[in-house]
Amino acid sequence: EVQLVESGGGLVKPGGSLRLSCAASGFTFSSYSMNWVRQAPGKGLEWVSSISSSSSYIYYADSVKGRFTISRDNAKNSLYLQMNSLRAEDTAVYYCAREIDYDSSGFLDYWGQGTLVTVSS
Amino acid sequence: DIQMTQSPSSLSASVGDRVTITCRASQSISSYLNWYQQKPGKAPKLLIYAASSLQSGVPSRFSGSGSGTDFTLTISSLQPEDFATYYCQQSYSTPMVTFGPGTKVDIK
Repeated sequence: EVQLVESGGGLVKPGGSLRLSCAASGFTFSSYSMNWVRQAPGKGLEWVSSISSSSSYIYYADSVKGRFTISRDNAKNSLYLQMNSLRAEDTAVYYCAREIDYDSSGFLDYWGQGTLVTVSS
Repeated sequence: DIQMTQSPSSLSASVGDRVTITCRASQSISSYLNWYQQKPGKAPKLLIYAASSLQSGVPSRFSGSGSGTDFTLTISSLQPEDFATYYCQQSYSTPMVTFGPGTKVDIK
């Protein structure tokens, strides 16, 4: 059974840092691109970042570029999101999601339960 | 950036109703359109990918159609477990995807 379990969320002050983790199991983690998607309280879904299976390709939303860093450790079946210079508008539930490559595109077929990040003084 | 809109933003329906949700892209995205269902406090769940392909395990009452800029998600006979928020997502610009604002389906 595919499982994605996020951790590392919490309360942090504006300008602070936090590192999220996503532990994957039930599939060959090293074969899949992975994504972070967030959802502010009461709002819709926003794609944050993507990393290819071998970490060769990394992408960020403009809203987090230069502040967030995505990485992965295929030996540990883990995905990470280092978040620096946090702002109030980064407050959200952060989900990790597995990406399926399909016809030059893709979709997110499995999602974790999410971890809440609250940026407040 | 490709912008996605959905209509309606919310709707009220009864069990057994046929429900249709529309999603529109700001430019042609071919068939690179996915649909997700999200229940309160839960992660999104993939329903439809590539505009019309049903994800494994998803009931056949869910269907998707469309191409180019206009897409629809149809629930042929609404069930109690279908009350949720539905999001479309364009994957034309994968991996930098964008989601629609969501359509909340609740009980009439």
